[in-house]
Amino acid sequence: QLQLQESGPGLVKPSETLSLTCTVSGGSISRSSYYWGWIRQSPGKGLEWIGSVYISGKPYYNPSLESRLSISLDTSKNQFSLKLTSVTATDTAVYYCARPVGSGNYYVLFDQWGQGTLVTVSS
Amino acid sequence: EIVLTQSPATLSLSPGERATLSCGASQSFGSRYMAWYQQKPGLAPRLLIYDTSRRATGIPGRFSGSGSGTDFTLTISRLEPEDFAVYYCQQYDTSPYTFGQGTKLEIK
Repeated sequence: QLQLQESGPGLVKPSETLSLTCTVSGGSISRSSYYWGWIRQSPGKGLEWIGSVYISGKPYYNPSLESRLSISLDTSKNQFSLKLTSVTATDTAVYYCARPVGSGNYYVLFDQWGQGTLVTVSS
Repeated sequence: EIVLTQSPATLSLSPGERATLSCGASQSFGSRYMAWYQQKPGLAPRLLIYDTSRRATGIPGRFSGSGSGTDFTLTISRLEPEDFAVYYCQQYDTSPYTFGQGTKLEIK
């Protein structure tokens, strides 16, 4: 059974970089044909797709975050990661990693989610 | 960006009743790439409906979806106690892929 687990600091200072990792168990990210994704949820903006990454293709990012965002895969550890630079209070949210239903447009339709991790941006 | 507006914000009903939740898109998209999720407190969203009307694996038959263009609907035919939660629509037609702000379905 596939499981995803987010990890990373729960508190980040303004202007610094938010870094999170998603560890996947019960399946190999290198043998799959999925785009692995990040989504966040905040009281102010609700659910927001952040971006998605594939084993052998370019990542796709939300244009509103693209200039500050990097998502990558580490197949040796069966993990994928998110880095968001120059954070502000508006980046405070619960961050989820997720696996989509499939490919094509379904690469942003998520049926397997991590439990989520709260990241607060504050000095 | 396609903005999704859900209505009502809160819906108060009793178990056994029928629930109708709406999702309006700021622009029409020709595909059927609309999904619905259910979220309970402290948990991640759960995929219910995709491609406007297809139920995800394991979703009971009382959940159904419909719509096209700019107007989409999630219907729960007879509410069970476990159905009281927040529901979100999501369009996956055009990047950035957006979600509605949610409808809270509460027990009357």
